[in-house]
Amino acid sequence: QQQVKQSPQSLIVQKGGISIINCAYENTAFDYFPWYQQFPGKGPALLIAIRPDVSEKKEGRFTISFNKSAKQFSLHIMDSQPGDSATYFCAAPGTSGTYKYIFGTGTRLKVLA
Amino acid sequence: DTAVSQTPKYLVTQMGNDKSIKCEQNLGHDTMYWYKQDSKKFLKIMFSYNNKELIINETVPNRFSPKSPDKAHLNLHINSLELGDSAVYFCASSPGYSGNTIYFGEGSWLTVV
Repeated sequence: QQQVKQSPQSLIVQKGGISIINCAYENTAFDYFPWYQQFPGKGPALLIAIRPDVSEKKEGRFTISFNKSAKQFSLHIMDSQPGDSATYFCAAPGTSGTYKYIFGTGTRLKVLA
Repeated sequence: DTAVSQTPKYLVTQMGNDKSIKCEQNLGHDTMYWYKQDSKKFLKIMFSYNNKELIINETVPNRFSPKSPDKAHLNLHINSLELGDSAVYFCASSPGYSGNTIYFGEGSWLTVV
C-alpha cells in the first residue's frame, strides 16, 4: 500500500512564527505536489502546488520546498497568523497510470494570538 | 456560485438503511471523485470518474455504488448502512485525469446510528 508520510501530526505556533510541515512520498511519478488547507466544517482547498523540476515555490507567506532525491517536500508558513489555523494535507501522485493522488495523514496547525 | 456542491450536508440514519448523496460540479471538469474522511481526518479516495467512465475503484465495500449520469454529476448510493460508514464524504472534481488539482465540495456528514 503506497503511503505519504506527513509530520508533525499537530503543531502549535505563536503568531508571527514559522510553521513547517513535512511530507515524504514513495512513488516516482512526475507530476505536481500539492498542499491543501482544510478549515473545520469545510472541504480541503488547494493552497499551493509545486512541479518536481523546481526546488522551491513561494506564494505570499506560503512556500513549498521540494527535495526530489530524498522524495520529500515541505510547507513553510511565514509570519503565521491565527487565521492559518487549519488542517493541512500534502498529496503525492500514486503509481504511474493509476490517476490518483494519495493524501498525507494531515497536520492540525494552531496559531496562537 | 458553488463550484462543487453536494447534498445533503448532514445525514443521520439508522443501520440497515439505504441512502444517497448527490454531487454536481459547474467547473466544466472532466473528472469527479468521492473521498471519505474518517474521524481521524484521514482522506481516502473511493471512486473516480472521467467523462462518466469509472477509472478508480478503490477497495470499497460493494454496498457503495457510484453513478455518473453525465460528467457534471456523480452520485453515491450506499446500501445497508453500517455504523462504520459514519464519516464525512467529499465529492470533488479536477480538470484532467491525474488529479493534481482537486476541487472539493463542502462534504456530507453521515452519521449511522
